[in-house]
Amino acid sequence: QSVVIQAPSLSGTPGQRVTVSCSGSSSNIGSNVVSWYQHLPGTAPKLLIFLNNQRPSGVPDRFSGSKSGTSASLAISGLQSEDEADYYCAVWDDSLNGLLFGGGTKLTVL
Amino acid sequence: HVQLQESGPGVVKPSETLSLICGVNGYTISRGYYWGWIRQPPGKGLEWIGSMYHSGKTFYNASLKSRVTLSIDTSQNQVSLKLTSVTAADTAVYFCARFDYGDLYSLDYWGQGTVVSVSS
Repeated sequence: QSVVIQAPSLSGTPGQRVTVSCSGSSSNIGSNVVSWYQHLPGTAPKLLIFLNNQRPSGVPDRFSGSKSGTSASLAISGLQSEDEADYYCAVWDDSLNGLLFGGGTKLTVL
Repeated sequence: HVQLQESGPGVVKPSETLSLICGVNGYTISRGYYWGWIRQPPGKGLEWIGSMYHSGKTFYNASLKSRVTLSIDTSQNQVSLKLTSVTAADTAVYFCARFDYGDLYSLDYWGQGTVVSVSS
């Protein structure tokens, strides 16, 4: 069982703003930077956010990240049908000395 | 443009060793970054397996450490994964990825993944 917790599912309608959340602890989110990934089945996961809130080149500014204490969030504004995917947060854990993924959130665009 | 491509047998028998290779194009592994593996069992989320630097420094997922070995062949510009004593629980899509440890702490380039089934 992952020690970084994400809600398993989330839904929204086109144009809506949704937020995917990750809850961790002092040894991971509380002390290290968070990255976010978008994963469509059968494809390679795609880096959406690094350093808590930075977007790689080519990622639309509809995607934004934030972190506070031991929690992190990915916000998607102006929701589009192509945003339907699984979203994962990832963070280094100092106690485990390894990389942790959240359990993943399946976003459905209604 | 950095490209990663996983290869290996699609089926491995229980108790045997799973061996995969990740070929890297567009970047010379010996220049830097960590390189490693992530897997996704059917119906489950992503699980980090481990990452390695060309110097030999390696980080492993503690839950798999006793069965996993990563290696880098700089002459072939590839990263390898060996997972011993496999069971059905090791059935998954295996991805290789570049890991920016120590700076951005993110996986910025990924392969498309290769499906491995553990079955007799």
